[in-house]
Amino acid sequence: KQEVTQIPAALSVPEGENLVLNCSFTDSAIYNLQWFRQDPGKGLTSLLLIQSSQREQTSGRLNASLDKSSGRSTLYIAASQPGDSATYLCAVRGGRGSARQLTFGSGTQLTVLP
Amino acid sequence: DVKVTQSSRYLVKRTGEKVFLECVQDMDHENMFWYRQDPGLGLRLIYFSYDVKMKEKGDIPEGYSVSREKKERFSLILESASTNQTSMYLCASSLFGTGIVFGPGTRLTVL
Repeated sequence: KQEVTQIPAALSVPEGENLVLNCSFTDSAIYNLQWFRQDPGKGLTSLLLIQSSQREQTSGRLNASLDKSSGRSTLYIAASQPGDSATYLCAVRGGRGSARQLTFGSGTQLTVLP
Repeated sequence: DVKVTQSSRYLVKRTGEKVFLECVQDMDHENMFWYRQDPGLGLRLIYFSYDVKMKEKGDIPEGYSVSREKKERFSLILESASTNQTSMYLCASSLFGTGIVFGPGTRLTVL
C-alpha cells in the first residue's frame, strides 16, 4: 500500500527566503504526483502536476521535482511572501491497482512572516 | 475557467436527517471523487466513480452512499446523519492520468 510522508509538518520562515518542502512515497510505480495548496477552510488548489516520465515542472516562483527511484519529490518556493502561507499537500497517483485513486500526504503548514 | 462546484459551502443538519451533498463539474471528466477531511486524519476517500452509474467504495464508505446519474454530477448521501459525520467534504474530478481538480468544499455540521 502506498504511503506518502511530508516532513516537516510545519515550517515558519521570514519573508524573502527560498524554501523547500519535501514529499516522500514508498511505491515508486506511480503515474503522476501533484502538489496542492490549501488555505484554511477552503478546498485544494492544484499547483503543479508532474507525470511519471518528467523530472520537474515550473510555475512562476514554484518548481517541483520528481525522483521516482528514490521515492521523493520537492516543492521549491522562491522568494517567499506572506501570501504563500498555507498548507501544502502532495498526492501520488498509483501505478498498481486502481490508478484512479490518490494517496495524499498529511501536508506541511507553511507560515511566511512579514 | 474549468471548475468543480459544490451545492453548499456550509450546512447544518440534525442527527438522523438525510443529507444530500451535490457536486457538479464542467470539464467532461470521467472520474469523480468524494473525500472528507478532518484535523489529524487528513483526506480520506469515501467513494469514487469512474463512469455514469459506476461507483467504488473508498476507505471509509460506511454511513454514506453515492449517485451518479449524469457524467457531470456526483452526489453524496448521508442516509441518517450522525455527529461523527461532522466534517469538511471535498468533491473532486479528473480524467484518467491527469491531475485532479477539487471543489471549494462543504463544511457540514451535524447537531
